Amino acid sequence: GAGVSQTPSNKVTEKGKYVELRCDPISGHTALYWYRQSLGQGPEFLIYFQGTGAADDSGLPNDRFFAVRPEGSVSTLKIQRTERGDSAVYLCASSLLALSYNEQFFGPGTRLTVL
Amino acid sequence: KQEVTQIPAALSVPEGENLVLNCSFTDSAIYNLQWFRQDPGKGLTSLLLIQSSQREQTSGRLNASLDKSSGRSTLYIAASQPGDSATYLCAVKETSGSRLTFGEGTQLTVNP
Repeated sequence: GAGVSQTPSNKVTEKGKYVELRCDPISGHTALYWYRQSLGQGPEFLIYFQGTGAADDSGLPNDRFFAVRPEGSVSTLKIQRTERGDSAVYLCASSLLALSYNEQFFGPGTRLTVL
Repeated sequence: KQEVTQIPAALSVPEGENLVLNCSFTDSAIYNLQWFRQDPGKGLTSLLLIQSSQREQTSGRLNASLDKSSGRSTLYIAASQPGDSATYLCAVKETSGSRLTFGEGTQLTVNP
């Protein structure tokens, strides 16, 4: 596709459930980033991948959060035992390379609501 | 730890006004600074990217300046229109990594 796509656009789940959020980066982009945006706040970094490996996962809040990118393209953010505080918009971005001068392009986000 | 602050948090102006949004950051060791626009319920649209070696960038009615040594950037919007109503976010990329650190945004409303 022309841009970064994310599915689903909205996800409602119950506390304690497991969820998966998917990101399709721009074709050919090797770097992929996940951010989380709470209501009224700016996005906060979670993790980024260079190729298949997680190059920096220091933003993941705890071990309930995990992300994979097995083939270096599509990425899945996985949240176990969801809590109400996990409710937020999860944004994905990609860039051609992870080099500092490469611009990041953002997807529309997945709005996660934990009841 | 890098911290990015945006002032004001919200701004309401009549159509046609020129306006300035402010962004400050605590660590001047940045590689670039980027301004984004976010419409309600939508993702981020990149407006302008300024490399640390640059002083300003312009696109149409938008002009962004960067004073790296003082840790400040401004986004100037000329002749504002109702369609400019959105939240504007600034973000810095530090030289030591690839993540973006965002401010909390300025919510702009341009009234017809």
